[in-house]
Amino acid sequence: GEDVEQSLFLSVREGDSSVINCTYTDSSSTYLYWYKQEPGAGLQLLTYIFSNMDMKQDQRLTVLLNKKDKHLSLRIADTQTGDSAIYFCAENPLSGGYQKVTFGTGTKLQVIP
Amino acid sequence: KAGVTQTPRYLIKTRGQQVTLSCSPISGHRSVSWYQQTPGQGLQFLFEYFSETQRNKGNFPGRFSGRQFSNSRSEMNVSTLELGDSALYLCASSLGSGRPYEQYFGPGTRLTVT
Repeated sequence: GEDVEQSLFLSVREGDSSVINCTYTDSSSTYLYWYKQEPGAGLQLLTYIFSNMDMKQDQRLTVLLNKKDKHLSLRIADTQTGDSAIYFCAENPLSGGYQKVTFGTGTKLQVIP
Repeated sequence: KAGVTQTPRYLIKTRGQQVTLSCSPISGHRSVSWYQQTPGQGLQFLFEYFSETQRNKGNFPGRFSGRQFSNSRSEMNVSTLELGDSALYLCASSLGSGRPYEQYFGPGTRLTVT
């Protein structure tokens, strides 16, 4: 079955880059997502990548995928205090006839001014 | 385009009671998924409805049920509430077909069981 793991906490200084890591276990072709959750709010989809890609960049966000190690990372450049939130990675494999999304435990990002 | 709305936002219930939560998806979206979020268990998938049919279900007891109406609005019901049901309940809407499967989440309903 699918299992998605993340470290629980990351602290960075404002202006530095943040790197949030995630590992997944499904061996099928899969979509991988990054979501952001601010306090008291639902999840906001930030970006996604398909498992045949190595990298995807979207403004300050860079997603890197190491397929061999099943390791996914989200890099946030020039981290701001507004980036403080919980970040979830999620996996949606293509196998099976239905959409099944498994979320990681979430990484709490603290940005120090 | 209006986002996903959930009502009520906050709810306090007593053990043994039942509760109904509502979710209105983004216009044009036919899929609604429900998740339970707790500090201990994280985000856990409850079920997904597509075109009024449940097409996917997580590992929750039968006390948790749901339905979807012809306008894609969905409700979930929890009967015989237990203290452990205290959680943030999130719904997410999507087009429901094809990939990538982009889900858009509502703000959640915070349920407290006393």
